Amino acid sequence: KAGVTQTPRYLIKTRGQQVTLSCSPISGHRSVSWYQQTPGQGLQFLFEYFSETQRNKGNFPGRFSGRQFSNSRSEMNVSTLELGDSALYLCASSTTGTGATWGKLFFGSGTQLSVL
Amino acid sequence: SQQGEEDPQALSIQEGENATMNCSYKTSINNLQWYRQNSGRGLVHLILIRSNEREKHSGRLRVTLDTSKKSSSLLITASRAADTASYFCAKDADRCGGSNYKLTFGKGTLLTVNP
Repeated sequence: KAGVTQTPRYLIKTRGQQVTLSCSPISGHRSVSWYQQTPGQGLQFLFEYFSETQRNKGNFPGRFSGRQFSNSRSEMNVSTLELGDSALYLCASSTTGTGATWGKLFFGSGTQLSVL
Repeated sequence: SQQGEEDPQALSIQEGENATMNCSYKTSINNLQWYRQNSGRGLVHLILIRSNEREKHSGRLRVTLDTSKKSSSLLITASRAADTASYFCAKDADRCGGSNYKLTFGKGTLLTVNP
């Protein structure tokens, strides 16, 4: 099976712009989560989607949003970018069934966003 | 806020030596997981240990869990240069209204294995 695919790998934007990041989960995985990683704050949970519905949300401002499509692919959007939004954005997919992979997150390589 | 806190923040050892990393957390868990991250890349799942388990092995990895002390440790035996990476523990959300898919990560231990 192909792993979690995130595009683009690198992105440079300026303050005030908006950005959309894409994530294709492992085939058959219906849960997709997004995390932000920065040197100062570490890994922080953004949100999780399952069957096109947001099930969980972290403590991020409304500028951060996401969605999931019927094929489980997900996008996240950040509007009105700020310098502090510079980070590695990681997407992870997970199976919801029982068995050996229960509870485990499978991460993509991330999108490195730089806001200038 | 970070629930899992790894200790030490950085660890440098020689190839062949064992590496031990510790993780503490504050609230109850359903399970605790360990992940590895090579520089600037995605995280790779290593081991998941459930709250009713005390020890788990996977190859050269051994994880212990002490729920009374709210702590876990990851032992890598006979380390190799390829083990150089950051290691994170992650706890799931509390059972009440929580989710197995919302993990709270610590800040990680940077392990350097020198050849």
